[in-house]
Amino acid sequence: EAGVAQSPRYKIIEKRQSVAFWCNPISGHATLYWYQQILGQGPKLLIQFQNNGVVDDSQLPKDRFSAERLKGVDSTLKIQPAKLEDSAVYLCASSFGTGTYGYTFGSGTRLTVV
Amino acid sequence: KNEVEQSPQNLTAQEGEFITINCSYSVGISALHWLQQHPGGGIVSLFMLSSGKKKHGRLIATINIQEKHSSLHITASHPRDSAVYICAGWPGGKQGAQKLVFGQGTRLTINP
Repeated sequence: EAGVAQSPRYKIIEKRQSVAFWCNPISGHATLYWYQQILGQGPKLLIQFQNNGVVDDSQLPKDRFSAERLKGVDSTLKIQPAKLEDSAVYLCASSFGTGTYGYTFGSGTRLTVV
Repeated sequence: KNEVEQSPQNLTAQEGEFITINCSYSVGISALHWLQQHPGGGIVSLFMLSSGKKKHGRLIATINIQEKHSSLHITASHPRDSAVYICAGWPGGKQGAQKLVFGQGTRLTINP
């Protein structure tokens, strides 16, 4: 079974530039999560989708971050404009439902904002 | 105070030593994940458990729901076990509103 695919693996951008990350969850997983993990901390949930609807985006900085999952499959997370404090690993995860079954993380995208 | 606390935050040991990482949580949970994160960012789920004990190779995870405590043990540790180990709790209650609550991670370094 293929895992959760993310791209790119690494990205370096200057502050005020924009960046986009892509995630393709495991086939059949209805729920998709985007996490932000700052160095030395545990992951923080940014947004949770179930199919193409948003379940929780309470910690998403909506002035600069946006995410979509238009067809209920793959998803993109965008930052525009980026700030230095956005430097982090962005992790995507998916699961069958909103519970724990099949919960799988992707390999992450390491973003460095300079 | 974090809802999920891990100890120690950093652990360095020699190859072959028995390793224990602890996780205590203050929230009610229905299940707990132990995750492994290697340099580069990717996270791998090692165990998900809601009671008792699970074993996979040299890794053993235990949980005591009443005491709100879980441990991850590594027997005969090896340098390739060097990674950050994260515990994450899955709260009980309404399914649609759940989200994992993460510990801050334990950085394990095994020296040859």
